[in-house]
Amino acid sequence: DAEITQSPRHKITETGRQVTLACHQTWNHNNMFWYRQDLGHGLRLIHYSYGVQDTNKGEVSDGYSVSRSNTEDLPLTLESAASSQTSVYFCASSEGRGAETQYFGPGTRLLVL
Amino acid sequence: AQSVAQPEDQVNVAEGNPLTVKCTYSVSGNPYLFWYVQYPNRGLQFLLKYITGDNLVKGSYGFEAEFNKSQTSFHLKKPSALVSDSALYFCAVRDFFSGNTPLVFGKGTRLSVIA
Repeated sequence: DAEITQSPRHKITETGRQVTLACHQTWNHNNMFWYRQDLGHGLRLIHYSYGVQDTNKGEVSDGYSVSRSNTEDLPLTLESAASSQTSVYFCASSEGRGAETQYFGPGTRLLVL
Repeated sequence: AQSVAQPEDQVNVAEGNPLTVKCTYSVSGNPYLFWYVQYPNRGLQFLLKYITGDNLVKGSYGFEAEFNKSQTSFHLKKPSALVSDSALYFCAVRDFFSGNTPLVFGKGTRLSVIA
């Protein structure tokens, strides 16, 4: 069955380190998204991509970057991790436009010490 | 700009009673509306969506939602709550005229069903 996976599921890192969170989907969806989930804020969009070589900034993109070299993967990089980036990160994907449903991965829980 | 509000952080309901989780939205044109559920330590799962047509949308696990254009609302409902329905629920919106923009999510409502 098609799915969307994230790795690692849990990560502890130190302030200032570079961290990359992986997202892989096997639906062959064009669209991929990264959100972070924090208490009191719900889900906030970090970056998204509508296809290979396309990336766009979301609501809370500072300190994060993404690259899309193939359809299946959209890795999220924290250039220099900060304690404010401690959060749960979710990747999602969807096909097409408009009413298409976004499907979510299981999440990565990141702790920055 | 598109936005969605979930006015209740927490909803408590007794098992067997009907439940309602509220959602209101703001878009420039016509909305696409979604409900998702999140169980502890899991990702978001799609429940149902409104695109057009019938204002009452039926989804997974016996949930339904009613689209009300005049009140700009899309409340999630279930006739008889189960303890297993206890979870975090998110409403999301996309404006029809915004093309392929990502979904905008509310802050979530925690539903507790008490036995």
